[in-house]
Amino acid sequence: DAKTTQPPSMDCAEGRAANLPCNHSTISGNEYVYWYRQIHSQGPQYIIHGLKNNETNEMASLIITEDRKSSTLILPHATLRDTAVYYCIVRVATTGNQFYFGTGTSLTVIP
Amino acid sequence: NAGVTQTPKFQVLKTGQSMTLQCAQDMNHEYMSWYRQDPGMGLRLIHYSVGAGITDQGEVPNGYNVSRSTTEDFPLRLLSAAPSQTSVYFCASRPGRQGLDTGELFFGEGSRLTVL
Repeated sequence: DAKTTQPPSMDCAEGRAANLPCNHSTISGNEYVYWYRQIHSQGPQYIIHGLKNNETNEMASLIITEDRKSSTLILPHATLRDTAVYYCIVRVATTGNQFYFGTGTSLTVIP
Repeated sequence: NAGVTQTPKFQVLKTGQSMTLQCAQDMNHEYMSWYRQDPGMGLRLIHYSVGAGITDQGEVPNGYNVSRSTTEDFPLRLLSAAPSQTSVYFCASRPGRQGLDTGELFFGEGSRLTVL
């Protein structure tokens, strides 16, 4: 599975959109982009995933560039509860057996 | 539906002692895995299983054993604990079946282990 690069930390004002970038320049055609987050020391929580089209759910939006070498997770209206470490992962969806989490981006939402 | 349940939540061991971290899921998932997370680091895969009777190594398997005798349970064994195994351990599962599996992992709440 391809590896990812994320900034180690970011701040965002409460109520504003949080845009978390991820580079995955070696992604293969059959690899999906997944986003998880980990609040404090809880188990990671799935947020969203996509292949090449932009995706949106009740938690976030995922924007994948046309060449698929990078993506952005968007939290449209960040709240204090969104303070967490966010992990970007690429893998083959149904056959890839190893998720490589890396160190993620620590997002702090500021009041 | 309890999801993924890990026990114990906290454990203190002395060097050389053995113990088993338990993981159970009630979602009939075929795939189960164990991760460890050290301070300031991401999660690293220890072992995983794609079904009963099948296990394989991840990134950091040394010092750990696993078995998968049933679909529901995936215990992680430390045969001779070392201080380097002080960590938070997470168990995760996913369906593993084509058509049912989007790749989303379901995590337990973690087991915090300290080895003195």
